[in-house]
Amino acid sequence: AQSVTQPDIHITVSEGASLELRCNYSYGATPYLFWYVQSPGQGLQLLLKYFSGDTLVQGIKGFEAEFKRSQSSFNLRKPSVHWSDAAEYFCAVGPDILTGGGNKLTFGTGTQLKVEL
Amino acid sequence: NAGVTQTPKFQVLKTGQSMTLQCAQDMNHNSMYWYRQDPGMGLRLIYYSASEGTTDKGEVPNGYNVSRLNKREFSLRLESAAPSQTSVYFCASSEEKGNTIYFGEGSWLTVV
Repeated sequence: AQSVTQPDIHITVSEGASLELRCNYSYGATPYLFWYVQSPGQGLQLLLKYFSGDTLVQGIKGFEAEFKRSQSSFNLRKPSVHWSDAAEYFCAVGPDILTGGGNKLTFGTGTQLKVEL
Repeated sequence: NAGVTQTPKFQVLKTGQSMTLQCAQDMNHNSMYWYRQDPGMGLRLIYYSASEGTTDKGEVPNGYNVSRLNKREFSLRLESAAPSQTSVYFCASSEEKGNTIYFGEGSWLTVV
């Protein structure tokens, strides 16, 4: 079965510093991968997604993520964090597009980001 | 630009009571989902509906039932609420496999 691991429960960075949130997945040959962000009391908003092609994916709000098949990772990065980036971030993996199974996603347990001013 | 709308936003139930969470989407999506979110556990899929007229169990279906009323609406029912069902519930929808899943703003349910 597919699974997602986000090893960092909490991360604190200073405003203006760079950020990397880790995500490792266990899945078949062709996963599709997502990063979502959740602000307090809100639903989840998609930051970016990877299906195929270029392994470096650009998203909204200046975020990017790199798919590394050899490491089964899809880490999220941002060069310079803003105070408004404080939120919880979720990595998710979907079924292999070659084998079917609907559009169900499996989510990681999330990383809570705190930004110090 | 409503997207995915779910009601109620907050609800307190007594153990054994029943209730239905309503969800509607206006994006003409085929697939709809119900997730629950608990601290430290991320989001877990309760039920999903790949298309109108079909429903399937997700990871944690026990204690829940769903109805895909039409293409727009997908409801989640708790027949006999238990404290373990205290959680935040999210409805979501998507087009085909691989496309973005859009989430509602959540329903906070407390069972006492």
